[in-house]
Amino acid sequence: KQEVTQIPAALSVPEGENLVLNCSFTDSAIYNLQWFRQDPGKGLTSLLLIQSSQREQTSGRLNASLDKSSGRSTLYIAASQPGDSATYLCAVLDPANQAGTALIFGKGTTLSVSS
Amino acid sequence: DGGITQSPKYLFRKEGQNVTLSCEQNLNHDAMYWYRQDPGQGLRLIYYSQIVNDFQKGDIAEGYSVSREKKESFPLTVTSAQKNPTAFYLCASSPRLAGDGGELFFGEGSRLTVL
Repeated sequence: KQEVTQIPAALSVPEGENLVLNCSFTDSAIYNLQWFRQDPGKGLTSLLLIQSSQREQTSGRLNASLDKSSGRSTLYIAASQPGDSATYLCAVLDPANQAGTALIFGKGTTLSVSS
Repeated sequence: DGGITQSPKYLFRKEGQNVTLSCEQNLNHDAMYWYRQDPGQGLRLIYYSQIVNDFQKGDIAEGYSVSREKKESFPLTVTSAQKNPTAFYLCASSPRLAGDGGELFFGEGSRLTVL
């Protein structure tokens, strides 16, 4: 059964630092991987979607990489800002899921950027 | 503006009562989903629908029911049979089934508390 793990569970950094969030998954046969941001008490905002055939995606200060063979993805945030403080979740689309339709989510990394 | 609207944002229910959470999207997406989020846990799929008048159970469908009479609407009813209904409920949609590479977009969530 596919499992998604995010380490660390929480991370605190000073403003301006570059940082990396990690996501690992147990079964490399995924359709795609998606990174989300969640502010407290709010819904999820899609940040980046990486298809299984892709190695990375970039959006502004965010860069996500995917290494299917090792079951890993990283989300790189450049020049962090206090507004980046949120919980970041990764999710993989698992074809072994009964209908191949559902994302399997990690529990998230809660990021705090201090000014 | 296009998006997903969930209502109400907060809902209190007495034990034994059914409640219905609303989800409306104007993105013209075919697929819609309901997830449940509990503290310290990843999101878990309750139900999904890929087309009007069709829906499928997810991983934790017991105690819940849905309908999909219109493309734009996918309401979730939390019945009295759901043993632990207090949670944050998230509705999502995608242009096509996530298994076909569709990117998920989420609403702002509804927080249900059972008194």
